[in-house]
Amino acid sequence: SQTIHQWPATLVQPVGSPLSLECTVEGTSNPNLYWYRQAAGRGLQLLFYSVGIGQISSEVPQNLSASRPQDRQFILSSKKLLLSDSGFYLCAWSGDRGSWEQYFGPGTRLTVT
Amino acid sequence: AQSVTQPDIHITVSEGASLELRCNYSYGATPYLFWYVQSPGQGLQLLLKYFSGDTLVQGIKGFEAEFKRSQSSFNLRKPSVHWSDAAEYFCAVGEPTSYDKVIFGPGTSLSVIP
Repeated sequence: SQTIHQWPATLVQPVGSPLSLECTVEGTSNPNLYWYRQAAGRGLQLLFYSVGIGQISSEVPQNLSASRPQDRQFILSSKKLLLSDSGFYLCAWSGDRGSWEQYFGPGTRLTVT
Repeated sequence: AQSVTQPDIHITVSEGASLELRCNYSYGATPYLFWYVQSPGQGLQLLLKYFSGDTLVQGIKGFEAEFKRSQSSFNLRKPSVHWSDAAEYFCAVGEPTSYDKVIFGPGTSLSVIP
């Protein structure tokens, strides 16, 4: 069966520090991968999606970047964190186009101080 | 542009009572519609989805939703709520692109009184 992992689960970082969040998927190949951010009391904002290795598309301009170095690995990064980067970050995957259902990881709670 | 609204930010119901969570969407074509649930501090899980056909769809955990094209709505219902149903519920609309883009509503937080 397929599983999705995210780490770390929680992270407290000072303003201006770098960030690296990792997401890996097991049990499937060539998934579509997504990074979402969920601010307190708000819905999900799609940050990045990827349909294949090295293929990254950004949905909104921001202080973050994403990379997909391997088929089932998706990394969210920042060179210098801002206070506004605080939030709950969720990674998700879906199968081939037309499958639609997205499977979410457990999330990373990021607090920028 | 496509959008999803959930008019109720927070709802409180008593255990055993019925539940209806509202969802309205704006979409130019036949929509693909979804309901997801998020337990506190966790990721999201798909409850049910509508693509076409029967407008009343059944999902997991005893939930159902009804698609009403005339009202641009896709409300989620459950006849008898359990304490374990306390969670955040998200309605979403699918926007066919190169990667099956899904737009999420702002969510409705459900509290259940024992």
